[in-house]
Amino acid sequence: GENVEQHPSTLSVQEGDSAVIKCTYSDSASNYFPWYKQELGKRPQLIIDIRSNVGEKKDQRIAVTLNKTAKHFSLHITETQPEDSAVYFCAASTGGYQKVTFGTGTKLQVIP
Amino acid sequence: SAVISQKPSRDICQRGTSLTIQCQVDSQVTMMFWYRQQPGQSLTLIATANQGSEATYESGFVIDKFPISRPNLTFSTLTVSNMSPEDSSIYLCSVEKTGNYGYTFGSGTRLTVV
Repeated sequence: GENVEQHPSTLSVQEGDSAVIKCTYSDSASNYFPWYKQELGKRPQLIIDIRSNVGEKKDQRIAVTLNKTAKHFSLHITETQPEDSAVYFCAASTGGYQKVTFGTGTKLQVIP
Repeated sequence: SAVISQKPSRDICQRGTSLTIQCQVDSQVTMMFWYRQQPGQSLTLIATANQGSEATYESGFVIDKFPISRPNLTFSTLTVSNMSPEDSSIYLCSVEKTGNYGYTFGSGTRLTVV
């Protein structure tokens, strides 16, 4: 089955700096890679996703890149703000109603 | 995206008892997924529930411990049976409504077994 590894497990950045979270996956059949943000005590919320036919996707301060050959994908957050502090999970799926396998999570702390 | 109502939001249960968690979706969905999130950990898939068929369980999870019902396309239940303190966790349901890969989560059930 799919295995998703995520690094780092914790990340502290100064407000305004950039944050990068990296993930690798094992199943070459995976073609959908969502990223979730989970604030304390709340449900995971989808913040951005990318499919295998795209190398990069951007949404305001958030961007995701995908390297299918190397089987890794990354989340980039620019101009970080205190409200970006949360746990971020990467995930992989073969899509189309199939299960999602999650990475181990990254706790991001943005220091004002 | 789909709107999911999950209940109860939290419960404290005695060991040896069972708790049934419900998820109601505001529209018909093909698949519903049940996840467990232990404190400070990632999300682990328990099983996938398809309407009209037996749920498919992931390695390490068995039907006797986590029976699932899926009576229609908008509703599912997960029962945590014969609970022990190790079952203390957050349980979440999830759906993929559109076939367009947008997975949504319920608000979760925080279970404490004493």
